[in-house]
Amino acid sequence: AQSVTQPDIHITVSEGASLELRCNYSYGATPYLFWYVQSPGQGLQLLLKYFSGDTLVQGIKGFEAEFKRSQSSFNLRKPSVHWSDAAEYFCAVGRANFGNEKLTFGTGTRLTIIP
Amino acid sequence: GAVVSQHPSRVICKSGTSVKIECRSLDFQATTMFWYRQFPKQSLMLMATSNEGSKATYEQGVEKDKFLINHASLTLSTLTVTSAHPEDSSFYICSAKGQGSNQPQHFGDGTRLSIL
Repeated sequence: AQSVTQPDIHITVSEGASLELRCNYSYGATPYLFWYVQSPGQGLQLLLKYFSGDTLVQGIKGFEAEFKRSQSSFNLRKPSVHWSDAAEYFCAVGRANFGNEKLTFGTGTRLTIIP
Repeated sequence: GAVVSQHPSRVICKSGTSVKIECRSLDFQATTMFWYRQFPKQSLMLMATSNEGSKATYEQGVEKDKFLINHASLTLSTLTVTSAHPEDSSFYICSAKGQGSNQPQHFGDGTRLSIL
């Protein structure tokens, strides 16, 4: 069975500082990997995804993530955070099943930005 | 592009009533839609997967007679919580994806359901 671990429940960073959110997955084959962001009381917005190819993936809002197969990781990074980045971030792993993916989500990391 | 609209955004109703939540893909055809439930400060739990024109596939532990899912067209899926009780209060989120294994899921803004 697939699983996702986000070790950090809550992270606080200063505005303008760099950010890295950790994600580790467990899956028997090459996974489909995703990062989503959720603002309070809202749905999820896709930041970026990895299916194959280049292991460094660029997403929206200046985010990027790197797939490291040897470490089973897909960490999310941003060189300089903005106050508007405060939200809950979810890493997810998907598996292909007749063309559909069933996503398994991590427990999320809440990001707080301080001035 | 890839906008998913979920309606209503919030519902408050009495115990015993049934509540219908709609999920629409506005600018793409969603061959598959997913329904999730999210408890406060927790992750999303997949409830069921629905494919257009066929019966939904429910995850283990999800009562199919309690949570009725209909996916009648390529742009609309509905979740009906039948005879809702306070323990059904939660945040329900739908997602939709287009045809093809490389299509990501796009999420609606969720529905906050409160049963009194």
